[in-house]
Formats: sequence, structure tokens, C-alpha cells
Amino acid sequence: KAGVTQTPRYLIKTRGQQVTLSCSPISGHRSVSWYQQTPGQGLQFLFEYFSETQRNKGNFPGRFSGRQFSNSRSEMNVSTLELGDSALYLCASRTGVETQYFGPGTRLLVL
Amino acid sequence: GEDVEQSLFLSVREGDSSVINCTYTDSSSTYLYWYKQEPGAGLQLLTYIFSNMDMKQDQRLTVLLNKKDKHLSLRIADTQTGDSAIYFCAESSLRGGYNKLIFGAGTRLAVHP
Repeated sequence: KAGVTQTPRYLIKTRGQQVTLSCSPISGHRSVSWYQQTPGQGLQFLFEYFSETQRNKGNFPGRFSGRQFSNSRSEMNVSTLELGDSALYLCASRTGVETQYFGPGTRLLVL
Repeated sequence: GEDVEQSLFLSVREGDSSVINCTYTDSSSTYLYWYKQEPGAGLQLLTYIFSNMDMKQDQRLTVLLNKKDKHLSLRIADTQTGDSAIYFCAESSLRGGYNKLIFGAGTRLAVHP
């Protein structure tokens, strides 16, 4: 079974722009979560989607948003990019309560 | 509150055992996890333990859970150079709806010959 895939793997944007990241979960997994990883803050939960509904949200500003499609693929969007948004964005999918499987991440650099 | 703490660095000799420690504060934590991250990569799930267990063994990996002290450890037997990576401890809880993982800062394991 293919793992979690994320596109693109690398992105360079400038301040003020917006960006959309994509995540395809493992086949059959209906839950998709997003995390931000930075050297300063570590790994932080952004939000989780299940059956196209956001079920949980972390402490991030409204510039960070997401959605999930009927095929469970998910996108996250960051508007009005700031330098501090430079990070590795990780997507994880799961089917049961106990395990989350992560993709390789999208590395975003904001200049 | 929710907090997970780990020591930041561990250096071991190849062939020795490594023990990575983690403490957490959320008494409602139900599942505790160990993830491995190699340079430039995502997180690889190594193992997890349910809070009603004391120990779980999976090949070279042994997880010990002391629920009273809220202490979790990961022992890697016969550590190899390929085990060099950052290891993250994480917990999920009923309070978080199980879908939100709280991570520690990660322990960088360096394996030297």
C-alpha cells in the first residue's frame, strides 16, 4: 500500500504571497492531520479533517486553513505569508485511534 | 496541561544499547508513541503503547511505560549507525480527541564506532 504523499516537496515563496500544499492519505484512511515543524517551536498540530469536516484545530492564526475532499485528499493554505511560516509541513493520515502515519513533508521557505 | 519533555542529545557506541527517555504531564494520555526522523525526511512511526500496558517489545525496540511517574522510555538494543536520527516521543489523549499528537522536542541520537 502506498504511503502518505505530499506535494510539492519544496517551495520558495515571498512574504505576502499565499501557498497551497497537498496531501494524499494512505488508501482507506479518512482522517488527515497537518503539523508544522520549525527549529524553534518543534512539531505543532495545525488541524485535522475527517470526512471533509474539520474536527480539531491547533493554535494558529486564521491565515492557516485547510480542507478535505470527498476522496480524503487534503489541502492546506497559508495566506499572507510571513518569514516565520518557513517550516516543514507534515501531513499524517490514520484509520484507527492508535496510529498516525506521516508523509515526507513539504519544506516551505519564505523570503 | 499538555507537555512532553525529552533530553535533547544522546551519544552511544555502535553495538551498545540506547535508552531515550520522555516524560509527559497529561494524565489522560491514552496512547504514547515513538517516531524517528532522519535528515530531510518525515516522521516514521516506530512503535506505540497503550496506557494500560507497562511494556512492549518489537524486535530491537523495547518501550517501558511508568504511568504513575508519567515516564516513557525507548530502548534500542544493539544500536547501529543507521539508528542515528532524531527520536520524538508523542502522546494523544481523550482530551485532545485522540487525533492531536503532542510531541516532545526530540532526542538526537548519535551512534559512533
